[in-house]
Amino acid sequence: AQSVAQPEDQVNVAEGNPLTVKCTYSVSGNPYLFWYVQYPNRGLQFLLKYITGDNLVKGSYGFEAEFNKSQTSFHLKKPSALVSDSALYFCAVREYNFNKFYFGSGTKLNVKP
Amino acid sequence: ETGVTQTPRHLVMGMTNKKSLKCEQHLGHNAMYWYKQSAKKPLELMFVYSLEERVENNSVPSRFSPECPNSSHLFLHLHTLQPEDSALYLCASSQQGTELEQYFGPGTRLTVT
Repeated sequence: AQSVAQPEDQVNVAEGNPLTVKCTYSVSGNPYLFWYVQYPNRGLQFLLKYITGDNLVKGSYGFEAEFNKSQTSFHLKKPSALVSDSALYFCAVREYNFNKFYFGSGTKLNVKP
Repeated sequence: ETGVTQTPRHLVMGMTNKKSLKCEQHLGHNAMYWYKQSAKKPLELMFVYSLEERVENNSVPSRFSPECPNSSHLFLHLHTLQPEDSALYLCASSQQGTELEQYFGPGTRLTVT
């Protein structure tokens, strides 16, 4: 069965420090992988995606993510966190030939000044 | 803005009421989705419409009734809801058969009293 796991409910980091938000997935075929961010009282906003090619993908607001096929992971990273990055982050996976997306339970990122 | 709008943004209804949620996408997509977002739970896919036909139902209770009159509009009709149905209801759209991500609306915050 297809699934996505975000093992951390919350991640705390100081402003200016690097951040990592973890995601692992399980899918039977080749995955499409996505990261979304949700600010309070808003819908989900697309950050970045991995389809094929370079394992390191870059997205909006300075975020990047690394696809690791052997570890079935797609961790979200940023070299220097901002207070404005504080939000809820969702990882999602989709099988390449299907139209159904599977989302993790979300990780709340807190960036403190 | 993502190109997906939802109305109303907030809704309070009693258990005997009937109400409808509306979603509209201005992106030319051919697939639309309803999700339920509850605190500390993964996003729950409720319904998927592809080319205006329902292709996924995920065992949603019959008190939720979707309607997709055309590729740009999606409704969720609500009747005799329960307090546990209180949640954020998110609409999304995508282009089936492509690598594109989903685009989300801002959501409707539903409270059932």
